[in-house]
Amino acid sequence: DTEVTQTPKHLVMGMTNKKSLKCEQHMGHRAMYWYKQKAKKPPELMFVYSYEKLSINESVPSRFSPECPNSSLLNLHLHALQPEDSALYLCASSQELGALTFGSGTRLTVV
Amino acid sequence: GEDVEQSLFLSVREGDSSVINCTYTDSSSTYLYWYKQEPGAGLQLLTYIFSNMDMKQDQRLTVLLNKKDKHLSLRIADTQTGDSAIYFCAETEGSYIPTFGRGTSLIVHP
Repeated sequence: DTEVTQTPKHLVMGMTNKKSLKCEQHMGHRAMYWYKQKAKKPPELMFVYSYEKLSINESVPSRFSPECPNSSLLNLHLHALQPEDSALYLCASSQELGALTFGSGTRLTVV
Repeated sequence: GEDVEQSLFLSVREGDSSVINCTYTDSSSTYLYWYKQEPGAGLQLLTYIFSNMDMKQDQRLTVLLNKKDKHLSLRIADTQTGDSAIYFCAETEGSYIPTFGRGTSLIVHP
């Protein structure tokens, strides 16, 4: 299995909702990432989980919270999002430095 | 801090070669990458090069690195319509976290 699987592929949520994005890899990769990508822009790093340690981009608001149940899963919990949070959310994993395998993303729309 | 620069657009005719350029500022960059993103999809790692190399070839792709000028290029030979995508240059200095350029939109027309 050489893939990063993200679910759901599309999500529409209201500003008062709570939802979760799921990400799974079975490549034995040591690091997993969440990125946010707006149209025509590069991905922006939100969180990295590597060697059982979570690193957070301090500019990410607390309405986003990651959870790592085990080394193959990295979920992203969403609560009280704003319309400007609408974006493509990409999960990735890596074994070698910087050589990331990306999932196909979750297209999130906040209404 | 680190900075990676790319031109935003490149338009080529089908069958021609494409050359996408990238410059970076961090002299301690050790790994440099090219990623491809097709519409509505995630990024796909195309190739990467270590900083102690100056060239790497993989089928239609050739990566050239000029470490002195901090310049990286990706040449796609015999460009096809399926190569139309956004190409991101990225670098790391030994961490797990790459710094991405803004991406170059490659448009291939008949």
